[in-house]
Amino acid sequence: DTAVSQTPKYLVTQMGNDKSIKCEQNLGHDTMYWYKQDSKKFLKIMFSYNNKELIINETVPNRFSPKSPDKAHLNLHINSLELGDSAVYFCASSQGGQGGGEQYFGPGTRLTVT
Amino acid sequence: AQSVTQLGSHVSVSEGALVLLRCNYSSSVPPYLFWYVQYPNQGLQLLLKYTSAATLVKGINGFEAEFKKSETSFHLTKPSAHMSDAAEYFCAVSTGTYKYIFGTGTRLKVLA
Repeated sequence: DTAVSQTPKYLVTQMGNDKSIKCEQNLGHDTMYWYKQDSKKFLKIMFSYNNKELIINETVPNRFSPKSPDKAHLNLHINSLELGDSAVYFCASSQGGQGGGEQYFGPGTRLTVT
Repeated sequence: AQSVTQLGSHVSVSEGALVLLRCNYSSSVPPYLFWYVQYPNQGLQLLLKYTSAATLVKGINGFEAEFKKSETSFHLTKPSAHMSDAAEYFCAVSTGTYKYIFGTGTRLKVLA
């Protein structure tokens, strides 16, 4: 049973297109996150959601729009894709975020923009 | 503001040798500290975490880390490296505000 799952695993698309990545967790956690990992493996937080509410938005371009329909899901929609959006996107979840709970990561979605 | 510095983007050790991966943090409040491991084409997996209960923290796969407040360090060690330990290792800090800051990672190579 996969704890944190993401779809798709690979996404190849052209500049200017719009795409979505889905994330689901079955751990019963109340907090979910999106991270971007660049080609140098640098991992940067993009968004944090707690109980479906946006808590952290790390100066991400507004072309990126997260949506949390319920506590178990956090999707990421990206408009007008640019070359610089090419990266691996990781979803993660934790129980709370105020007590330093450990995060559980999904397998990642490798986005390639051509 | 919190920050994490991992010294050495690449570390090579012989199989059976001591593994030491360095992490220094900066935080204005008592931090929560984590080590994660990432195998190729996979997500990150928690190795261990420090949440102020004990300064020496034991994790999975024989890894441990010691929190040293005076040195603002949280170095990761393993007495004897195994080939399967080859991976990317990340140190992370959180001050409990739904935000986690990751270091730039250290790639561990284990030589036969």
